[in-house]
Amino acid sequence: NAGVTQTPKFRILKIGQSMTLQCAQDMNHNYMYWYRQDPGMGLKLIYYSVGAGITDKGEVPNGYNVSRSTTEDFPLRLELAAPSQTSVYFCASSSQRDQQYFGPGTRLTVT
Amino acid sequence: QKEVEQDPGPLSVPEGAIVSLNCTYSNSAFQYFMWYRQYSRKGPELLMYTYSSGNKEDGRFTAQVDKSSKYISLFIRDSQPSDSATYLCAMSAGGSEKLVFGKGTKLTVNP
Repeated sequence: NAGVTQTPKFRILKIGQSMTLQCAQDMNHNYMYWYRQDPGMGLKLIYYSVGAGITDKGEVPNGYNVSRSTTEDFPLRLELAAPSQTSVYFCASSSQRDQQYFGPGTRLTVT
Repeated sequence: QKEVEQDPGPLSVPEGAIVSLNCTYSNSAFQYFMWYRQYSRKGPELLMYTYSSGNKEDGRFTAQVDKSSKYISLFIRDSQPSDSATYLCAMSAGGSEKLVFGKGTKLTVNP
């Protein structure tokens, strides 16, 4: 099993550009999550999904969108990138709410 | 009062030392408790998972939960340089409740 995979590993965006961060899991988990991690600020939940076709906002959803058309994939869309979205983004999945398994992360810089 | 408090450190110890990492919390509904280890520039990995109060041991790692004091600990015996990482506590009330993370404690074990 590959677990949770994320692409790309790194990306530099210009202000106003858009991009999609990809996340896939092969553990047949129902729950999937997107977090951002800023230095000294811990993990903040952006969006989550409890199953295909169902998504909900987390703590910091503004400027992001998600979709969940399959159990395996949970892409995160950034529209009109801003410097405040410079961060490390982690995708996670779980079969239960709590024991979450994380991907390796995407480092995004918006300049 | 923040829902989960964790001393960010940094904590520096010599190889072989016993390390104690702690989190306090305010929500008495929390009953699932986790510790994640995050190496530099990597995603968090689930290290320990406990339910309700009590101790759980796994090799050199022991997780303790004291619900009466709203306090959880992670002990690392015979610490190794490979234990150098940031350790994040996480907890949830279970069911549909989200996982709440501490901000992490950065640990360095010096050879």
